[in-house]
Amino acid sequence: NAGVTQTPKFRVLKTGQSMTLLCAQDMNHEYMYWYRQDPGMGLRLIHYSVGEGTTAKGEVPDGYNVSRLKKQNFLLGLESAAPSQTSVYFCASSDPPGGIGTEAFFGQGTRLTVV
Amino acid sequence: GESVGLHLPTLSVQEGDNSIINCAYSNSASDYFIWYKQESGKGPQFIIDIRSNMDKRQGQRVTVLLNKTVKHLSLQIAATQPGDSAVYFCAETASYDKVIFGPGTSLSVIP
Repeated sequence: NAGVTQTPKFRVLKTGQSMTLLCAQDMNHEYMYWYRQDPGMGLRLIHYSVGEGTTAKGEVPDGYNVSRLKKQNFLLGLESAAPSQTSVYFCASSDPPGGIGTEAFFGQGTRLTVV
Repeated sequence: GESVGLHLPTLSVQEGDNSIINCAYSNSASDYFIWYKQESGKGPQFIIDIRSNMDKRQGQRVTVLLNKTVKHLSLQIAATQPGDSAVYFCAETASYDKVIFGPGTSLSVIP
């Protein structure tokens, strides 16, 4: 059981380049999340999805887009990367918060550097 | 707006002592709270959770206390071990809503 898998694990981009981060979960969870984590700060929610075909904005959505075409996958896209998007990105999945055993499971993270 | 904050950004404890990590939250609608542990280079990992209809919940060596009157959450770790060294996050959510994380507390265990 792989849980939550993120690819790639590391990436260096030049300003203005685009890329897509892939998150895959094999737990049949309804909810999926993308967070970014910066030094000295907690996890800030970028976008999230409450089910296949649905997405919603989190706290810091600007500069990012997401898609949830399949229940098990949640893609995070950067159309035109900026140095301010240098961060560690975490994907997570869960069943609806508040239910029984609905803690979020996290991937290992993607370290992105934009130069 | 909504926010979850921590009183202590860093905490150093002697091995074998008890650790207490505190967290304040501001969203009165939050009814589910979670503590996560994040080790270096890894994603956060669930430790324990508590619902708003409870004020205490115990796990293995960990206890979470919830004080809704002052909107305060704490994580107690008994007999702290070197393997407990990590960053600890509290998180809050209202049912069926997004999860919001606090800034984290770095726990360092001194052998």
